[in-house]
Amino acid sequence: GQSLEQPSEVTAVEGAIVQINCTYQTSGFYGLSWYQQHDGGAPTFLSYNGLDGLEETGRFSSFLSRSDSYGYLLLQELQMKDSASYFCAVRVSGGSYIPTFGRGTSLIVHP
Amino acid sequence: KAGVTQTPRYLIKTRGQQVTLSCSPISGHRSVSWYQQTPGQGLQFLFEYFSETQRNKGNFPGRFSGRQFSNSRSEMNVSTLELGDSALYLCASSSGGTGNEQFFGPGTRLTVL
Repeated sequence: GQSLEQPSEVTAVEGAIVQINCTYQTSGFYGLSWYQQHDGGAPTFLSYNGLDGLEETGRFSSFLSRSDSYGYLLLQELQMKDSASYFCAVRVSGGSYIPTFGRGTSLIVHP
Repeated sequence: KAGVTQTPRYLIKTRGQQVTLSCSPISGHRSVSWYQQTPGQGLQFLFEYFSETQRNKGNFPGRFSGRQFSNSRSEMNVSTLELGDSALYLCASSSGGTGNEQFFGPGTRLTVL
């Protein structure tokens, strides 16, 4: 099976930078995804890392180190609207590539 | 392109009853996955259907079942409801290949009394 660990809660102030870490244990690792979910909303896809390194999409960046079984999501220039839950999810090969999600990190952005 | 739709959005049932939830994927998507979300537990994978066949299954009891129709629409059924089944049930669609992104519906909020 797979297991993922991410902090349950992170707090930061507007304009700051925050990093949400994710460590995983799995066989057949294929890639790491990140999703955002606002209260009462559906998860939405943010980014995907299949190879080591940094992927940048606007204010959000995601990093993967396959050798360390570790990744992180970096949010820059935080805004109040970034307050949400963030989930990392691993995809494994040899099956249907359906991701397994972590328990999520609640990000609280203060003014 | 219309997004993933789920019906109903809210549902209240009592213990012992059964319930059927429906999901219509994005047009052209052949894979439909179902997840159960409860506070603090993240998204727990129930099962995935692809071209009317169950392709993957999570660790849930047999009371949870599903099916997919030829138009890719999917239904999920929970029989003999228990209080612990109260949750947000999310459906996600994807192309079904090695594509990276799953598209989630708004979910069905099930409350079991």
